[in-house]
Amino acid sequence: TQLLEQSPQFLSIQEGENLTVYCNSSSVFSSLQWYRQEPGEGPVLLVTVVTGGEVKKLKRLTFQFGDARKDSSLHITAAQPGDTGLYLCAGGENQGGKLIFGQGTELSVKP
Amino acid sequence: KAGVTQTPRYLIKTRGQQVTLSCSPISGHRSVSWYQQTPGQGLQFLFEYFSETQRNKGNFPGRFSGRQFSNSRSEMNVSTLELGDSALYLCASSAVALAGGNEQFFGPGTRLTVL
Repeated sequence: TQLLEQSPQFLSIQEGENLTVYCNSSSVFSSLQWYRQEPGEGPVLLVTVVTGGEVKKLKRLTFQFGDARKDSSLHITAAQPGDTGLYLCAGGENQGGKLIFGQGTELSVKP
Repeated sequence: KAGVTQTPRYLIKTRGQQVTLSCSPISGHRSVSWYQQTPGQGLQFLFEYFSETQRNKGNFPGRFSGRQFSNSRSEMNVSTLELGDSALYLCASSAVALAGGNEQFFGPGTRLTVL
């Protein structure tokens, strides 16, 4: 059974601080996606990484896919209150629409 | 382009009843996946439909079923509802996947409460 372990589960920081969320697995994934979800809404796709060692930047967010395609990280620089939400990583298989999700990281950024 | 839509947004049922949820994917997307989200278990994969055929299935009992129509719209059905079926049910659509890519776009979900 493929599992994705996400850490930390909860993170409460002050505006302007940096943070990193980790997503680890013993399985290899063909792709890995990061989502952000707000209460009562569906997850919104932030980024997809497919190549081992790949790094993608989205404004203050930096995403990295591990060389072995088993782990990923999300780094946020100078966090803002608008970054508050549930961050989810999800691993995809070679084909088909099945995603394996991590448990999520609940981020709270206080002004 | 309109996003994924799900109806209804909220639903209250009692134990033993059945329920049908609907999902309209992004125009041109042929794959529709369903997920259940609960505070304890997180997001869990239910099943995926592609070209009206179930292509993948998660570890849920047979009370959970689905189907896809020729226009790619999908429905999922839960029969003999149990209290533990209370959850946010999410639908996601994707285009025919490129090699290694599984980008999925989610709808707002249907909040099901079973009393």
